Amino acid sequence: NAGVMQNPRHLVRRRGQEARLRCSPMKGHSHVYWYRQLPEEGLKFMVYLQKENIIDESGMPKERFSAEFPKEGPSILRIQQVVRGDSAAYFCASSPPSGADTEAFFGQGTRLTVV
Amino acid sequence: AQSVSQHNHHVILSEAASLELGCNYSYGGTVNLFWYVQYPGQHLQLLLKYFSGDPLVKGIKGFEAEFIKSKFSFNLRKPSVQWSDTAEYFCAVNARAGKSTFGDGTTLTVKP
Repeated sequence: NAGVMQNPRHLVRRRGQEARLRCSPMKGHSHVYWYRQLPEEGLKFMVYLQKENIIDESGMPKERFSAEFPKEGPSILRIQQVVRGDSAAYFCASSPPSGADTEAFFGQGTRLTVV
Repeated sequence: AQSVSQHNHHVILSEAASLELGCNYSYGGTVNLFWYVQYPGQHLQLLLKYFSGDPLVKGIKGFEAEFIKSKFSFNLRKPSVQWSDTAEYFCAVNARAGKSTFGDGTTLTVKP
């Protein structure tokens, strides 16, 4: 059973370009979470999605960032017009339908560098 | 809102020393608690988790943690660290569903 797959592992973008980060959850998992880890900091929650629904986007910046989890295919975190401050590691986690003892499994992350 | 506080930003130990990393959380309801390890350049790996039951939880690689509800704490311990334990350690909490809140992490350096 493959784990959570994120790609690309490393992504370099110039300021003003768009970044697309992909996350394929574990088989049978219908919930996806995105986190951002800035240098020297912990992981900060960004968004929580189920198939075709955004459940909680309280951690998403108001502009330039969007996320989706379509019925088919991976979840996508999209950053438009990237700036240097977007340079970070972006981690995706997935979990089965929520229950009392739900554990999320993390992918290896995408390290975004904006030059 | 949930918050997680890890007291030590950077800990330096010699091999065979004992380790205790502090973690306190703020949340009024029932929570699940986790410790993760992140080796340089790698993804998060789950060390151990607490959902319910015995408050002393044993994890992988000889780590354990104790949930003390009255103190809102979930400290990580290991009796004897190894050089290979050098990594960053994150405490996390979730309210039994949905997103997790992470502490800022503790960097552990073990000197051979």
